[in-house]
Amino acid sequence: KAGVTQTPRYLIKTRGQQVTLSCSPISGHRSVSWYQQTPGQGLQFLFEYFSETQRNKGNFPGRFSGRQFSNSRSEMNVSTLELGDSALYLCASSLDSLTNYGYTFGSGTRLTVV
Amino acid sequence: AQSVTQLGSHVSVSEGALVLLRCNYSSSVPPYLFWYVQYPNQGLQLLLKYTTGATLVKGINGFEAEFKKSETSFHLTKPSAHMSDAAEYFCAVSGGGLDEKLTFGTGTRLTIIP
Repeated sequence: KAGVTQTPRYLIKTRGQQVTLSCSPISGHRSVSWYQQTPGQGLQFLFEYFSETQRNKGNFPGRFSGRQFSNSRSEMNVSTLELGDSALYLCASSLDSLTNYGYTFGSGTRLTVV
Repeated sequence: AQSVTQLGSHVSVSEGALVLLRCNYSSSVPPYLFWYVQYPNQGLQLLLKYTTGATLVKGINGFEAEFKKSETSFHLTKPSAHMSDAAEYFCAVSGGGLDEKLTFGTGTRLTIIP
């Protein structure tokens, strides 16, 4: 069974640009969550989508946005990139409930902003 | 609100020795607790989780953890360390219900000494 697929794996962008990251969850999983991992702040929750609706949101500025499509695939977008947005962005999918089923994480997209 | 504290950012043990990684939590509601492992350049893999029921939880790769409400702890142990256990380990908490997100600790890097 295929795992969570994130594309691209690596990305280099310039300050001020925008970027879109993609996540394909495990087949049948309806919940997709996004996390940012940095050496300074650790792992921080960005947002969670369930059946195309944002169900939870973390404390990130409005430059960070996401969406989920009818096939459960999700994208996150970061506009007006800042140097501090350099991070590993992890996507996680769950069948339904984190509590009941846990997450399966993808390998991440490493974003470098120069 | 929930939080976790991982004691010791770096832990070194000899191959074959006991592994003990410490995690204390704070939660205003009954917590759901998780341990994840991250290998270099990879995403997070679920080792084990506690939701309700038995307080001693067995996970993959010989790891286990015990939920102790009186001590607000959820320490991770493995009787005999193997070289392949070298990785970073994260403890995480969720409030469950509508709070479908993980709050992670800062991580503990485990080094195995041959």
